[in-house]
Amino acid sequence: EDKVVQSPLSLVVHEGDTVTLNCSYEVTNFRSLLWYKQEKKAPTFLFMLTSSGIEKKSGRLSSILDKKELFSILNITATQTGDSAIYLCAVSNTNAGKSTFGDGTTLTVKP
Amino acid sequence: DAGVIQSPRHEVTEMGQEVTLRCKPISGHNSLFWYRQTMMRGLELLIYFNNNVPIDDSGMPEDRFSAKMPNASFSTLKIQPSEPRDSAVYFCASSGGFGAFFGQGTRLTVV
Repeated sequence: EDKVVQSPLSLVVHEGDTVTLNCSYEVTNFRSLLWYKQEKKAPTFLFMLTSSGIEKKSGRLSSILDKKELFSILNITATQTGDSAIYLCAVSNTNAGKSTFGDGTTLTVKP
Repeated sequence: DAGVIQSPRHEVTEMGQEVTLRCKPISGHNSLFWYRQTMMRGLELLIYFNNNVPIDDSGMPEDRFSAKMPNASFSTLKIQPSEPRDSAVYFCASSGGFGAFFGQGTRLTVV
């Protein structure tokens, strides 16, 4: 059975801090790893990672995948209060793209 | 494209009543997923379809839950009879390849 474990479960930082969120996984027939941000409503897609060692970057957010060690990290630099959200990691297998989600990391950024 | 469209956005119903949730996936996407999210259990995959065919319904809690996808542009999730423990946010997501894109969810409250 596919499994995703995220850490930490929750994190409180102050504006300007840098945070690193962790995601480890076990999956048969790995296809991709996905990061989502969930605020009050539906998860919104951040990154899709398929290859090891290639950093994906979007503004202050970046992510990288290690397929050998079976983990990914999501970095957020110079955090802002608007970054406060639940960050979800999911892995997709080759079986019609079925995604398994972790429990998420709840990030709170204080002013 | 308007994205994944779910209806209704909110539903309050009495225990024992039938509830039908609706989803219109992104045009061209061939995979559709139904998820349930609660504080206690996080995001759970209920069922997913590929090319309108149910592939894995092992996440469906019990026989009171059923899902259909009569064509590529429409799916329903039905709960009959509903119970208070079914109260949750139900998300529909669709995928055309690697990443899943979520609808805004239906917040179901069973009283």
